[in-house]
Amino acid sequence: QQQVRQSPQSLTVWEGETAILNCSYENSAFDYFPWYQQFPGEGPALLISILSVSNKKEDGRFTIFFNKREKKLSLHIADSQPGDSATYFCAASADSNYQLIWGSGTKLIIKP
Amino acid sequence: DTTVKQNPRYKLARVGKPVNLICSQTMNHDTMYWYQKKPNQAPKLLLFYYDKILNREADTFEKFQSSRPNNSFCSLYIGSAGLEYSAMYLCASSRAGADTEVFFGKGTRLTVV
Repeated sequence: QQQVRQSPQSLTVWEGETAILNCSYENSAFDYFPWYQQFPGEGPALLISILSVSNKKEDGRFTIFFNKREKKLSLHIADSQPGDSATYFCAASADSNYQLIWGSGTKLIIKP
Repeated sequence: DTTVKQNPRYKLARVGKPVNLICSQTMNHDTMYWYQKKPNQAPKLLLFYYDKILNREADTFEKFQSSRPNNSFCSLYIGSAGLEYSAMYLCASSRAGADTEVFFGKGTRLTVV
C-alpha cells in the first residue's frame, strides 16, 4: 500500500519556467510534509517542508501549496534553473509516529 | 559537520555471500536509519535505531541485521545476499522527535551477481 504518491514520475521544463511537482497522500493523520532533493551521486537532502496547519510555505523560488481537504500538495519551483535538475521526494509523517513515509520521487530535468 | 558517511560507495557481492555496509555520523543524532532504494521506487525503511534500541520493519525482519556499537556508528548486515538485494542502500540519521530533518549519506550501491 503506497500511502504517498507522486506525479509525474519525470518532468522536463525549460529554464525560467515554473516546474510543478505533485504529491498526494492517504493517511489523514499525516501532519508534516517535507520535500527532499537528491542530486545524482548524493543522498537526499531536505529542501523545504510544511505542516498541515499551513496551506502555503515559501522559501525563495520554492513554494509548497497544501490542500488538507483533498490530501494533496504540490511543490512549485519558480524560474527554474538547470541546477534544479534532480529527483524530488515528497514524504509525510504523523505526530503519533515520527517515521517518514516516502513517495517514489519525481525526476526533474531543466533544459537550458 | 552535517555529514553522514557510508562505506563502501560500491559493493559487488556474490549470491549467497554475506554483505556488511558501514555508516557513521558525527552529529550526535540518537536515531540512525537504513533505507533500501530501487529505481522508480520510494525509499524503503529497513530498520532504525533509536539510541541502542533496534526497530526492524516486519517484512524485512529476517533479511537484514544491524549493529550500533556506539552513537556514531551503524552497520547493515545481509547474511546471504540474493539477486533481489541489488539496490542503493541509504543510511540516515536524525534527532528523535516530530518534524526533524533527516540527514542522508551518499549511499552504497550494492550489486549482487
